[in-house]
Amino acid sequence: DVKVTQSSRYLVKRTGEKVFLECVQDMDHENMFWYRQDPGLGLRLIYFSYDVKMKEKGDIPEGYSVSREKKERFSLILESASTNQTSMYLCASSAYPGQNSGANVLTFGAGSRLTVL
Amino acid sequence: QKEVEQNSGPLSVPEGAIASLNCTYSDRGSQSFFWYRQYSGKSPELIMFIYSNGDKEDGRFTAQLNKASQYVSLLIRDSQPSDSATYLCAVPYSGGGADGLTFGKGTHLIIQP
Repeated sequence: DVKVTQSSRYLVKRTGEKVFLECVQDMDHENMFWYRQDPGLGLRLIYFSYDVKMKEKGDIPEGYSVSREKKERFSLILESASTNQTSMYLCASSAYPGQNSGANVLTFGAGSRLTVL
Repeated sequence: QKEVEQNSGPLSVPEGAIASLNCTYSDRGSQSFFWYRQYSGKSPELIMFIYSNGDKEDGRFTAQLNKASQYVSLLIRDSQPSDSATYLCAVPYSGGGADGLTFGKGTHLIIQP
């Protein structure tokens, strides 16, 4: 029973290309997140969204943008991919506070490993 | 910005023993604490979370909080080779439920058969 689905498991792109990473959740969660994970640096928050068309910057938003047109879908966009954006990208979702006691409990997708050449 | 520190390991524990994992956090106001497990090549999955009002036990796992010293522990009893993974500690990103989690870099645990 897959709950957070990332459309691409592996991608290889060229420097300067525009890259779209798609994420869909079927849990009716308000909050969605994009992290990247790199060896030695751990998980770092790029952007998050707490409602349709709403977005907030995380710790490392530079070089990225996001789109949330529907509640279940959150897209990460690399306008002009660079080699330092080679990474594992993880999408996650969580319920709005008050719906349950585990409001910050994140459910992750399987990840998208992006290589920029 | 909140920080979470963990010893990267590897921490090697014989099968059947107790594995003890620790993390320290910088924000004294943190109210909830999360432990995730991540197998190599997989995404993180939640093991358990606790609030600042007490410890919690779930099967072989126990999470303990020491607020005075600002550290959280995860104990794994009767360690199994399948427990070999990286364990991530996390606190709320900014105190609000909508803001996700700040993660430590993780401790690599190896259970030796």
